[in-house]
Amino acid sequence: DVKVTQSSRYLVKRTGEKVFLECVQDMDHENMFWYRQDPGLGLRLIYFSYDVKMKEKGDIPEGYSVSREKKERFSLILESASTNQTSMYLCASSPFEDGRRNIQYFGAGTRLSVL
Amino acid sequence: QKEVEQNSGPLSVPEGAIASLNCTYSDRGSQSFFWYRQYSGKSPELIMFIYSNGDKEDGRFTAQLNKASQYVSLLIRDSQPSDSATYLCAVNRPGGSYIPTFGRGTSLIVHP
Repeated sequence: DVKVTQSSRYLVKRTGEKVFLECVQDMDHENMFWYRQDPGLGLRLIYFSYDVKMKEKGDIPEGYSVSREKKERFSLILESASTNQTSMYLCASSPFEDGRRNIQYFGAGTRLSVL
Repeated sequence: QKEVEQNSGPLSVPEGAIASLNCTYSDRGSQSFFWYRQYSGKSPELIMFIYSNGDKEDGRFTAQLNKASQYVSLLIRDSQPSDSATYLCAVNRPGGSYIPTFGRGTSLIVHP
């Protein structure tokens, strides 16, 4: 089974703190993604990566950065956390295939509260 | 911005009935379509994908795709209370992209 592991299920941080969310996948997938999920807004793509050290902005990258130093690990960084970044954060990975069958495998999620 | 639209629901059906979930998308160039199920407090998991016009069946689930009308639907036959969840429609962006756009999801409640 594909396993995508997010380092924390729950995090509470203070406004202005630097926050790291870690994600590790064990299936040698090329593609990795970070989403946030908010009630009424659905899943929104923050950043994605298709290879080590490669990253692309998603639909809502403002206030976030990412790092992918190893193929299995994709980190989301909140440089200076703000209250509007309180959300559920979901990491996903997918293999590099014919795009038509590019299934996403999700981690369990990290619920971040910024106070 | 690509749009994927779903009725938020909740859609309430009795146990044993057919649940019909619909999704429309705005970009004609999209080629791949996915249905994910998300239980409360859990992460999404794939139910089915489809990329050819017509029907695709897997057990109690049938995905239907109509590219001319730009909609994709999911039918759940013999609905069970354990099917109660939010169903997310995802559409890959055009040009053979592997990047999906997700709809906001439809909440399904199957009552005994």
